[in-house]
Amino acid sequence: NAGVTQTPKFQVLKTGQSMTLQCAQDMNHEYMSWYRQDPGMGLRLIHYSVGAGITDQGEVPNGYNVSRSTTEDFPLRLLSAAPSQTSVYFCASSILDRGYGYTFGSGTRLTVV
Amino acid sequence: EDKVVQSPLSLVVHEGDTVTLNCSYEVTNFRSLLWYKQEKKAPTFLFMLTSSGIEKKSGRLSSILDKKELFSILNITATQTGDSAVYLCAGGGADGLTFGKGTHLIIQP
Repeated sequence: NAGVTQTPKFQVLKTGQSMTLQCAQDMNHEYMSWYRQDPGMGLRLIHYSVGAGITDQGEVPNGYNVSRSTTEDFPLRLLSAAPSQTSVYFCASSILDRGYGYTFGSGTRLTVV
Repeated sequence: EDKVVQSPLSLVVHEGDTVTLNCSYEVTNFRSLLWYKQEKKAPTFLFMLTSSGIEKKSGRLSSILDKKELFSILNITATQTGDSAVYLCAGGGADGLTFGKGTHLIIQP
C-alpha cells in the first residue's frame, strides 16, 4: 500500500538547471495534482490532471511543465530552475470527485541556488 | 475565484488550554470542507464536512460546518504539545481543493 510516492525527497539545483520531480500512485486515482508550499502562502496549485492524456494549469503554472502518459505517473518538470522556485512540492491524488479530499505524497524540498 | 481564509494565522497557548480555529470559504460548486494537520511533512487528514450543523469528533478534536454562513471551526480541547502544527482548511469544489494559508498553532508546556 504505497499510496502516493514522490522522489526525490530533497534536491539542490543551480539556477538554469532542469529537473523532473516524480510522482506515482498505485491507487488507480484519476485525479492528480502538484502543489507548492511556501511560508505564509499555504498550498498553491501548479498543474493538475483529470486522467491520462489530460492536463491543465492551476494557480501558479509558470516555469513548470507536466504530462500524464499513464494513470499512475504525473511528473513535474522544471525547465530552467530559478531561485523563486525554491519551495516544498507536494503531489496529491484523488479517486473521487476531487472536491472530497486528496491523498498527499511526502513532499520534495527543492532549493535553487 | 475560490477563496479560503483562516484565522488566526498563528496562535500560542499553554498546554491544557482549549483552542478554536476558524475557516471561512467562498467555493464555487461547493462539495466539502476539509481540515488537515501538517507537522513539517505532508498534510494528514483530520475531518471532511459536507453537512451543516453535524459535529465531527475525533478524540480531543472536533469540527462543525455552517453552510449558510460559509464557515467552519476546528476545536481542540485539553491541548498537548503534540498538537503543535499548522492546521490547514480547504474548500472542495468542482475543480478541486482551495487551501487557506493555515493556522500555526504552538502549544507551550
